[in-house]
Amino acid sequence: DAGVIQSPRHEVTEMGQEVTLRCKPISGHDYLFWYRQTMMRGLELLIYFNNNVPIDDSGMPEDRFSAKMPNASFSTLKIQPSEPRDSAVYFCASSFRPGSDNEQFFGPGTRLTVL
Amino acid sequence: GENVEQHPSTLSVQEGDSAVIKCTYSDSASNYFPWYKQELGKGPQLIIDIRSNVGEKKDQRIAVTLNKTAKHFSLHITETQPEDSAVYFCAASFRPEAAGNKLTFGGGTRVLVKP
Repeated sequence: DAGVIQSPRHEVTEMGQEVTLRCKPISGHDYLFWYRQTMMRGLELLIYFNNNVPIDDSGMPEDRFSAKMPNASFSTLKIQPSEPRDSAVYFCASSFRPGSDNEQFFGPGTRLTVL
Repeated sequence: GENVEQHPSTLSVQEGDSAVIKCTYSDSASNYFPWYKQELGKGPQLIIDIRSNVGEKKDQRIAVTLNKTAKHFSLHITETQPEDSAVYFCAASFRPEAAGNKLTFGGGTRVLVKP
């Protein structure tokens, strides 16, 4: 398996533009997580899905952020409109259902820069 | 919610020496404590984990200890090597079987092993 795949790896955009980050989880994993990593706030959980359904979105910073998982093999995180303070590395991770394995497998991340 | 604190934020050791990273957690219901290693430009990767029914776990040069009463756990790396240089994160979760494995991460420790 290729692991968790994220695209793009790097994104540079201007303030006010819409940004869409993409994630393909490992096949067979039931859980998908979106994290944001910054120097100031560390690694923060934004939202996670179980079987394509959002379970906990309490970490989503504000209404400008939205996430979807239309099927088991694809998820998006959208920021609209983007702001400079959204600059961060965004990670997607996936894991098996409870009872089998707790390990979360992280993708390589998308480095977002908002000018 | 859960709060995880991690110390130190940076750690410099001489090759061959030991490194110790400590974490404390706030929620006494937490029962799963993984440690992740993040190399430059990559996503975090699980290196070892411990569950609340175990006090210590070892895997070659790394070991983790857990003190449930004091609500703290530690990572020990012995005989450090240059390839151990990375950022290490502790995490905690309360994982009832019916729910997902939502993790709360510590702030991270940047470890530098000097040859």
